[in-house]
Amino acid sequence: EPEVTQTPSHQVTQMGQEVILRCVPISNHLYFYWYRQILGQKVEFLVSFYNNEISEKSEIFDDQFSVERPDGSNFTLKIRSTKLEDSAMYFCASSEEWNNQPQHFGDGTRLSIL
Amino acid sequence: GESVGLHLPTLSVQEGDNSIINCAYSNSASDYFIWYKQESGKGPQFIIDIRSNMDKRQGQRVTVLLNKTVKHLSLQIAATQPGDSAVYFCAETLSTGNQFYFGTGTSLTVIP
Repeated sequence: EPEVTQTPSHQVTQMGQEVILRCVPISNHLYFYWYRQILGQKVEFLVSFYNNEISEKSEIFDDQFSVERPDGSNFTLKIRSTKLEDSAMYFCASSEEWNNQPQHFGDGTRLSIL
Repeated sequence: GESVGLHLPTLSVQEGDNSIINCAYSNSASDYFIWYKQESGKGPQFIIDIRSNMDKRQGQRVTVLLNKTVKHLSLQIAATQPGDSAVYFCAETLSTGNQFYFGTGTSLTVIP
């Protein structure tokens, strides 16, 4: 069964450094998403992406965050200057259609900011 | 300082029994709902979905019930197995968008 893959599984970064989290969505999916889950809290939406553009973003997704589809298979989340509170699990997801469709999640990247 | 996390509801069932996991969703305008299963160290895994024009949908060993009047969603798992042990989340979304809003989750433990 096709799946979303994310790398690395764990990223440790010094506060203030830039970090790039990588995702390979399911190949025939057109819509891509990032969510995060701070330890012990809910899964929270960050951003959705379609046709090389952001289609929706939450208040969490401020100017420190950016997303990119650098080639035909990868989808990345960049945090420009990491803060301690960015420590969380970051999940990538993809779906075939824009809405009323399941979003399929990867296993996440655990980001630890020191 | 002390971090405040969610107090996760827990449910323990004997292997072979049926499980019912409940979720109260927040937005009366939500019209598409999903149940996800999350095992330790893994991402949310799709189980079953339901649209707001339905009140029941069945899958393999799972049934989702939707009560829009009281904004309540439930997941029934028949003949629960040890592999069903996980955290279960309901998620809602609006037809006008594609971001999902996740619930707090319920931790299901199946006792062999």
